Amino acid sequence: DTGVSQNPRHKITKRGQNVTFRCDPISEHNRLYWYRQTLGQGPEFLTYFQNEAQLEKSRLLSDRFSAERPKGSFSTLEIQRTEQGDSAMYLCASSLGYGTPYEQYFGPGTRLTVT
Amino acid sequence: AQSVTQLDSQVPVFEEAPVELRCNYSSSVSVYLFWYVQYPNQGLQLLLKYLSGSTLVKGINGFEAEFNKSQTSFHLRKPSVHISDTAEYFCAVSAGGTSYGKLTFGQGTILTVHP
Repeated sequence: DTGVSQNPRHKITKRGQNVTFRCDPISEHNRLYWYRQTLGQGPEFLTYFQNEAQLEKSRLLSDRFSAERPKGSFSTLEIQRTEQGDSAMYLCASSLGYGTPYEQYFGPGTRLTVT
Repeated sequence: AQSVTQLDSQVPVFEEAPVELRCNYSSSVSVYLFWYVQYPNQGLQLLLKYLSGSTLVKGINGFEAEFNKSQTSFHLRKPSVHISDTAEYFCAVSAGGTSYGKLTFGQGTILTVHP
């Protein structure tokens, strides 16, 4: 169990560019979550996968955001035409189980800075 | 929908003193409650969780929390803090049903332990 990993750890991009982040969950975990954390705030839920199916998306996730989890393994989060307001820490978490909310294990996050 | 309010944004305390970090939640359904800790430049780590049963739950690093349904609170306590407890602490709630275990976080409380 190597934990949840995220790449890259830091990303600086210019406004209008596209960026993609990757999350590798703990191998046996079938649930995967993306959260966004801005300075001075708690993480906010963005989207959730159970295996490869994306089952819920927050209203925070505009049309410029898309997430995938092919084959129910790693996940990617893409932001198109980045805006300065997208600057934040993007956190990925994974967990086991159905029904009961098992513990979510968080990755170290990807810090995005849009200039 | 659920919401979480952490009543103190910053809590300074001296080493070996007791500390309480306050958390109130609102929800129209039964909830599960969590406390996470975030050290600088690291992901979130679970301190403790309340799912059901005893309202007093013990976690890692000597922390404990008490679930109070009538006051909709889940305050975190430690009888004697160490310098190493300096970090940001997040209270979070998860509802059952179709929420799939997604977490709603409070704004965070920065605990600073002074020598």
